[in-house]
Amino acid sequence: AQSVTQPDIHITVSEGASLELRCNYSYGATPYLFWYVQSPGQGLQLLLKYFSGDTLVQGIKGFEAEFKRSQSSFNLRKPSVHWSDAAEYFCVIGGSSNTGKLIFGQGTTLQVKP
Amino acid sequence: ETGVTQSPTHLIKTRGQQVTLRCSSQSGHNTVSWYQQALGQGPQFIFQYYREEENGRGNFPPRFSGLQFPNYSSELNVNALELDDSALYLCASSPQRTGSGTSSYNEQFFGPGTRLTVL
Repeated sequence: AQSVTQPDIHITVSEGASLELRCNYSYGATPYLFWYVQSPGQGLQLLLKYFSGDTLVQGIKGFEAEFKRSQSSFNLRKPSVHWSDAAEYFCVIGGSSNTGKLIFGQGTTLQVKP
Repeated sequence: ETGVTQSPTHLIKTRGQQVTLRCSSQSGHNTVSWYQQALGQGPQFIFQYYREEENGRGNFPPRFSGLQFPNYSSELNVNALELDDSALYLCASSPQRTGSGTSSYNEQFFGPGTRLTVL
C-alpha cells in the first residue's frame, strides 16, 4: 500500500538553528514527492517537489530536500530557521498515476523558540 | 491572478443533514480535487474532477458526491452527515489533468478550506 510516514509529530527548534524534518514513504516505484506547509488559517502551500533528476531539490523560503531511494526518504532541511517558519509541514507523495491523488503524511508541527 | 477560493469559511450542521461546499478554481485551471482533513491529520483525497467528470475517488462512501461546472468551479455535497464528517474540507485546482503522464503531474494549488462542524 502507498503511504507516507512522518516520524516526528512535534519538533521545537530555536530561531537560527538548523532544521531537518523526516519523511519516509512506501510506494511501488519512485513516486512524485512534495513538501507542503500549512499555517493557521491559511491554505497549503507547496515548498518544493521532486519528480526526477538531481536528488537534492531547492524550494521556496530557503528550504531544500534530499531524495534517497535506498532509504525511501525525502527529508526536508533548512540551515537557519526563522520564527515565521512555525507551521505544520506535510510530506506528500503522488499516488495513482491516473487520478492525481496526493497522499499526505500526518504532518509535523514545527515550533520555533525565540 | 485570483487563487483558489472556497465558501463558506465555516459551517455548522446537525447529524443527518446535507451540506454543499463550493470551490472556485484558479484562473486557467481545469482540474479540481477535494480533500478532507480531520483534526491533527493530513488531508485525505476524496475525489478529483476533470472537465466535469469524476476522475478518481478515494475511500469515501457514495454520500460524498461532487460536481464540476463548465467554468471549472466545483461543489462537494455530503448527505446524511455524521459526526465524523467534522473536518476541514480543502479544494485544490491544477492547470491540467494531473497524473496523465510523467511530465504532466502538476502542482495542486489549495484553497483555505471550509471548516465543517457536525453536531
